[in-house]
Amino acid sequence: AQSVTQLGSHVSVSEGALVLLRCNYSSSVPPYLFWYVQYPNQGLQLLLKYTSAATLVKGINGFEAEFKKSETSFHLTKPSAHMSDAAEYFCAVSDYGGATNKLIFGTGTLLAVQP
Amino acid sequence: DAGITQSPRHKVTETGTPVTLRCHQTENHRYMYWYRQDPGHGLRLIHYSYGVKDTDKGEVSDGYSVSRSKTEDFLLTLESATSSQTSVYFCATASGTGHLEQYFGPGTRLTVT
Repeated sequence: AQSVTQLGSHVSVSEGALVLLRCNYSSSVPPYLFWYVQYPNQGLQLLLKYTSAATLVKGINGFEAEFKKSETSFHLTKPSAHMSDAAEYFCAVSDYGGATNKLIFGTGTLLAVQP
Repeated sequence: DAGITQSPRHKVTETGTPVTLRCHQTENHRYMYWYRQDPGHGLRLIHYSYGVKDTDKGEVSDGYSVSRSKTEDFLLTLESATSSQTSVYFCATASGTGHLEQYFGPGTRLTVT
């Protein structure tokens, strides 16, 4: 069965510093992987997705993620944090097959950006 | 963004009362989902639908039922609300084609007293 693990439920960075949010996956089939962002009191918004076309995926707001099969990882990065990046981030893997079309979510990482 | 609305956005109810949450989409997406979000648990799937009148259980379906009588609406019912069902509920949709990403509604905050 597919699953994802997000290391670090809380991450704090200074404005302008590198953002690195970790996600490791487990999948018995080639995975489709996603990162979502949730701003306070809002729903989840798709940041980026890996669909096997390219291992380095660029998303919105300057975020990118690299798929590393050997490490079963899909870490999210941004070179320079901005105050507006403060939010909760969720990694997800697709549990496709048959009619399910489900996503399995990690438990989330809350990113704080310090001025 | 997919046009997804949820109603109500906030609700306070008493233990033992029935509650129905509504999700409405304008994108003609085939798949619809109900999740609950609780601190430390991320999002957990309650029920999902893969077509009109086609639904199935997710990982935390006990105490919940769903119905989908038309493509655009997916209802979540708590037959007899309990305090453990206090949560934020999100509806999501997916087209069923392409790479399976889901689009989320704004959420409903439910408090059971």
